[in-house]
Amino acid sequence: QGQLVQSGPEAKKPGASVKVSCKASGYMFTSYGISWVRQAPGQGLEWMGWISGYNGNTKYAQSFQGRVTMTLDTSASTTYMELKSLTSDDSAVYFCARMALPGYFDFWGQGTVIIVSS
Amino acid sequence: DIQMTQSPSSLSASVGDRVTITCRASQGIRSSLAWYQQKPGKAPKLLLFAASRLDSGVPSRFSGSGSETDYTLTISGLQPEDVATYYCQQYSDTPRTFGQGTKVELK
Repeated sequence: QGQLVQSGPEAKKPGASVKVSCKASGYMFTSYGISWVRQAPGQGLEWMGWISGYNGNTKYAQSFQGRVTMTLDTSASTTYMELKSLTSDDSAVYFCARMALPGYFDFWGQGTVIIVSS
Repeated sequence: DIQMTQSPSSLSASVGDRVTITCRASQGIRSSLAWYQQKPGKAPKLLLFAASRLDSGVPSRFSGSGSETDYTLTISGLQPEDVATYYCQQYSDTPRTFGQGTKVELK
């Protein structure tokens, strides 16, 4: 099976943006999509959106529309998630996960902690 | 959006007990349901998909059942390493949505 390795923790001020990377290995990158899921402290899992590894098509959750952008670099087998206009409510662990064709997540990155504080 | 409701939110059981977690969808999801296990400080791990299909390497004490709106995850013989929070997730429609989680502890 493959592996997803995410970039390191970030501390940001309110109003700033953050960009998290997710590097894939061990499988054909263009054959699968990547979803991003976040988890606020002590809370459950929240799906943010999905990007196709094949053509870069995206689908975002309504609650993140206009604030999130997912991109990919096929040559580097890497997906990026940028979140803008950060508030303290965006403090969370952000996971990338490979999305199997039907739509479930068969393996996950290790998570990236984002802290938003003034 | 399809709402996923898990119950109970937490439970305490002894080693060897049979544990059952339920997940109800706000509309029929045609068995497009996955279960994940998350241990503290770790990423979720896929246990089952298509409601009842065990992912590779997952112990056979985990099983799933259900259809349309009602689904169940069963642990037949709880082990200490099963202490975790369990989430269901529907993939019948976008946005993908998760249940709120069930925390399983040892008695």
